[in-house]
Amino acid sequence: NAGVTQTPKFQVLKTGQSMTLQCAQDMNHEYMSWYRQDPGMGLRLIHYSVGAGITDQGEVPNGYNVSRSTTEDFPLRLLSAAPSQTSVYFCASSFSPPPASGGLYNEQFFGPGTRLTVL
Amino acid sequence: RKEVEQDPGPFNVPEGATVAFNCTYSNSASQSFFWYRQDCRKEPKLLMSVYSSGNEDGRFTAQLNRASQYISLLIRDSKLSDSATYLCVVISGYSSASKIIFGSGTRLSIRP
Repeated sequence: NAGVTQTPKFQVLKTGQSMTLQCAQDMNHEYMSWYRQDPGMGLRLIHYSVGAGITDQGEVPNGYNVSRSTTEDFPLRLLSAAPSQTSVYFCASSFSPPPASGGLYNEQFFGPGTRLTVL
Repeated sequence: RKEVEQDPGPFNVPEGATVAFNCTYSNSASQSFFWYRQDCRKEPKLLMSVYSSGNEDGRFTAQLNRASQYISLLIRDSKLSDSATYLCVVISGYSSASKIIFGSGTRLSIRP
């Protein structure tokens, strides 16, 4: 049971380049999400998905696209990288979308993160 | 005003001390509350849920005060290994409008 995996761990891009951050989970979780973490800002939700074929925007979606063709995978695509997108990106999954039954059905399992620098 | 606020710290306490920190939330309709722990350059991991009646897990005690809209985390007999950033998480709203909101974290450093 690998949990939530993310690739790559580190990435350096030039302004204007595009790339895809990969995220996969093997726990059959319905809910998956992408966050970015910046100093002093906490974790901010970019996009989320409540199941295969369903995605929605979070708090800071601009400049990012997602898709969810399978339960397991939830890639995040940067369309045209900008220095403001320099951040640490975390993918997370949980058994159910919030609030559902609450409690531990909403426990978020995080991937190890991707450190992205845009020059 | 942020929806979830935490004192960023750092809290610097000696080993064996008791330390407590709070997290305030603005939405009175918030339903579920959690504390996560994040080690330096690692992903957040669930520490404990926060129940209405308060709950304890070993040296850790979490409490919820709905009237004043805050949750707290108390760590007794602190260990060097408790050094980390503690994130509070609040789930507010209902059904498809529900949101998971992370605080920006409180840094705790335990010194020998």
